[in-house]
Amino acid sequence: DAEITQSPRHKITETGRQVTLACHQTWNHNNMFWYRQDLGHGLRLIHYSYGVQDTNKGEVSDGYSVSRSNTEDLPLTLESAASSQTSVYFCASSSMGLAGYNEQFFGPGTRLTVL
Amino acid sequence: RKEVEQDPGPFNVPEGATVAFNCTYSNSASQSFFWYRQDCRKEPKLLMSVYSSGNEDGRFTAQLNRASQYISLLIRDSKLSDSATYLCVAMFSGGYNKLIFGAGTRLAVHP
Repeated sequence: DAEITQSPRHKITETGRQVTLACHQTWNHNNMFWYRQDLGHGLRLIHYSYGVQDTNKGEVSDGYSVSRSNTEDLPLTLESAASSQTSVYFCASSSMGLAGYNEQFFGPGTRLTVL
Repeated sequence: RKEVEQDPGPFNVPEGATVAFNCTYSNSASQSFFWYRQDCRKEPKLLMSVYSSGNEDGRFTAQLNRASQYISLLIRDSKLSDSATYLCVAMFSGGYNKLIFGAGTRLAVHP
C-alpha cells in the first residue's frame, strides 16, 4: 500500500546542532509539504515543493531548509537547532491537480525536542 | 489576528448529543475550506470539504457563509469515537494547495 513515512518519530537534540528529519512517500505525489504544530497554533507551513528541484518557503521558514532530489523524499534540515524549534513536525503530500484541491495526506509526525 | 480562528474548547458532550463547531476566517480571498480531524498525537486526516451550498456526510454537516466569513461543522448523534480535535482549514487563492489551519477545537464525547 502507498504511504508516507517520517523518521525519526522522536528526536532529542541540543541547541546548535544540525538535524535532518526524513519524509518519504510512495504515492508518486508531486507536491510535498512540511508543517510544524505547536500548542495554541494550527499547523504552520515551513517549506513546500511542487516537484523535483522545486522548493518554496512557507510562513515559518527561518532556520529550516529543504531539498528535493527525487519525487519520493523531502528532507527537512534545521541548520542550527534552537529551543524555539521544539515542536511536532508533519510532512504531507498531494497529487498535482488542476485548479481544484487535492487532498493532502500526512505522515505520522516527528516529535523534536531541542535542549 | 489569526487567519483562521476556532474556539479551542474542549466541548464535553454525552453520547447521542448534537454539537456544533464554528470557525471564522479573515482573508476574503479564501477559495476553499475543509474540516480535518486529528486524534491525539496522530496526523490530521481530511474529514470533509465545505461547500457554499452546505454538504452532509452521514452524521456530519458542513456549512460555509462567505458573506460572514464563517464555517461550521455539525455532528449529530455523537459517538465516543468522535472524540478528537477538529481543524478548520482554508485554502487561499493564489496559494495552490497551500492550506491555512486553525488551532483546532477539541471534542470529548463521554458515555
